[in-house]
Amino acid sequence: DIQMTQSPSSLSASVGDRVTITCQASQDISNYLNWYQQKPGKAPKLLIYDASNLETGVPSRFSGSGSGTDFTFTISSLQPEDIATYYCQQYDNLRLTFGGGTKVEIK
Amino acid sequence: QVQLVESGGGLVKPGGSLRLSCAASGFTFSDYYMSWIRQAPGKGLEWVSYISSSGSTIYYADSVKGRFTISRDNAKNSLYLQMNSLRAEDTAVYYCARSQLYSSSWWDYWGQGTLVTVSS
Repeated sequence: DIQMTQSPSSLSASVGDRVTITCQASQDISNYLNWYQQKPGKAPKLLIYDASNLETGVPSRFSGSGSGTDFTFTISSLQPEDIATYYCQQYDNLRLTFGGGTKVEIK
Repeated sequence: QVQLVESGGGLVKPGGSLRLSCAASGFTFSDYYMSWIRQAPGKGLEWVSYISSSGSTIYYADSVKGRFTISRDNAKNSLYLQMNSLRAEDTAVYYCARSQLYSSSWWDYWGQGTLVTVSS
């Protein structure tokens, strides 16, 4: 299976800060990489698909980039409602895998 | 609007069985790939299985292969997960999620989840 290594596992930032999360694949996955947001007690929500495409209705402060093995997820200006855990997910092969998650908190 | 509602979770002893259901509405269920994804308490997400729109293509995570069976009834707009030989490590919230028309690439709609607890 393709392993997805996400970092950091947690971070604390101030409102308005730029937040960056990275995800590294154990092999080339082209742009077959998605990002989800999960708030406590809720189901995950799709934010970014195919590495850089913003899902309909998702605020433009969220963005994604990368290809191959290295990917980045960015919140351009952290808002209080962005407190959540974020997961990357690959679909390069038939067995889909997630990164370990990054918990984002407000400083 | 798209709705996915899981049911069938509960407490079961190790080695036991359970069948989860997911009732879909608000979209043409028979057009979409569907998946089960789980999350152990306090842990991350783990994809479990997906099934193509017709049911002809099915894949499982290695951790459940041979024990779990995914199926669907397009006439009833329902997705199922038959779980046999359950282990403590299968304890998790199980989510039903919608994929795309022709592949299982990402999930744009998720149910609220149903909790499965495997314990003696």
